[in-house]
Amino acid sequence: AQKITQTQPGMFVQEKEAVTLDCTYDTSDPSYGLFWYKQPSSGEMIFLIYQGSYDQQNATEGRYSLNFQKARKSANLVISASQLGDSAMYFCAMRDLLTIGIHGGSQGNLIFGKGTKLSVKP
Amino acid sequence: DAEITQSPRHKITETGRQVTLACHQTWNHNNMFWYRQDLGHGLRLIHYSYGVQDTNKGEVSDGYSVSRSNTEDLPLTLESAASSQTSVYFCASSEGITAQETQYFGPGTRLLVL
Repeated sequence: AQKITQTQPGMFVQEKEAVTLDCTYDTSDPSYGLFWYKQPSSGEMIFLIYQGSYDQQNATEGRYSLNFQKARKSANLVISASQLGDSAMYFCAMRDLLTIGIHGGSQGNLIFGKGTKLSVKP
Repeated sequence: DAEITQSPRHKITETGRQVTLACHQTWNHNNMFWYRQDLGHGLRLIHYSYGVQDTNKGEVSDGYSVSRSNTEDLPLTLESAASSQTSVYFCASSEGITAQETQYFGPGTRLLVL
């Protein structure tokens, strides 16, 4: 079963405006981590922000914030004051104890969504 | 600065040839991962390692192998390249053993199998 869903294949936003990229997840594990990565056209995967399932507050990193709604199982990325350099693919990812390998423990692996392509218009 | 590198960055090979993609990290991370990225599929896990001499199969491991002889390197080998293995390959590493641990990615290798 797919564990991470990004329903927006592509989005446009005007420069300097805020944009929200949606991500919903599915897990029955109480302990999990949610991650957002940015992939510009150059191809590298850049870690943006992390939210833990037990974190009381929404994560923030500069212009990035994570709108974490645990009951709805959503972890939307909010980018404030969009810049042209924000144009990229954005991936939501999750790790929980149920995605671990055969060795057990909590060294789980990341499950990625299919991504959202964000285009910032000047 | 510590980093994770991949080589080559671009590779063209022929069907049936053996290909090895290198991944090297200087963070001294125990955990290393290989993913492939294809349109419509996002990133999918190929193999991973939690330490020296440890290797495990991921979601799409058929046709691939890895070995971990030291902490820094996790080479990915395509035993007999197939056109279906044309993809972008990413190596990643992480330090810790918690579900919250961040993975850091290399720059990727674009592989074309003709």
